[in-house]
Amino acid sequence: NAGVTQTPKFRVLKTGQSMTLLCAQDMNHEYMYWYRQDPGMGLRLIHYSVGEGTTAKGEVPDGYNVSRLKKQNFLLGLESAAPSQTSVYFCASGGEGAQYFGPGTRLTVT
Amino acid sequence: SQKIEQNSEALNIQEGKTATLTCNYTNYSPAYLQWYRQDPGRGPVFLLLIRENEKEKRKERLKVTFDTTLKQSLFHITASQPADSATYLCASSGDSWGKLQFGAGTQVVVTP
Repeated sequence: NAGVTQTPKFRVLKTGQSMTLLCAQDMNHEYMYWYRQDPGMGLRLIHYSVGEGTTAKGEVPDGYNVSRLKKQNFLLGLESAAPSQTSVYFCASGGEGAQYFGPGTRLTVT
Repeated sequence: SQKIEQNSEALNIQEGKTATLTCNYTNYSPAYLQWYRQDPGRGPVFLLLIRENEKEKRKERLKVTFDTTLKQSLFHITASQPADSATYLCASSGDSWGKLQFGAGTQVVVTP
């Protein structure tokens, strides 16, 4: 059981470039989430999904898009990266109880 | 707006003592509260969940309380060890399907 995995672990982008972060879970969870974590601000929810083919906006969705084409995968896209999107991104999966987090992706936008 | 707050100051504690962390929430009544542990460079790890109708929950050396009158949860680590050093996050939800709001976390440093 790998749990929740994230790809890549690190990435540096130039302003205006695009990229996709991949999250995969092998626990058959319905719900999946994307968070960003910035110093002193805690985890903030970007987008989430309550099942395959569904997505919804969280607290800070602007500048991001997501897709959940398969139950086990949740993709986070940045169409035109900005320095304000420099952060650590965490994916999580779960249900009505505990959430299980991936190891994170450290993204720097220059 | 809904707010969840934790003490931002690091808690320094001697090995063997009990560490007590506070989580306060305002402007809503969550159905449950959760506590997570986060080590540097890693994702949060779930520790405990306590529902609004439960006063106290225990797991090994960890204890969580939920006081809906004070709008507060306390997280205790008894007989603390240096390996308990980490940042502890409180999270709450007023919904039933698992959307969480996280506090900024409190760092705990346990010295031998």
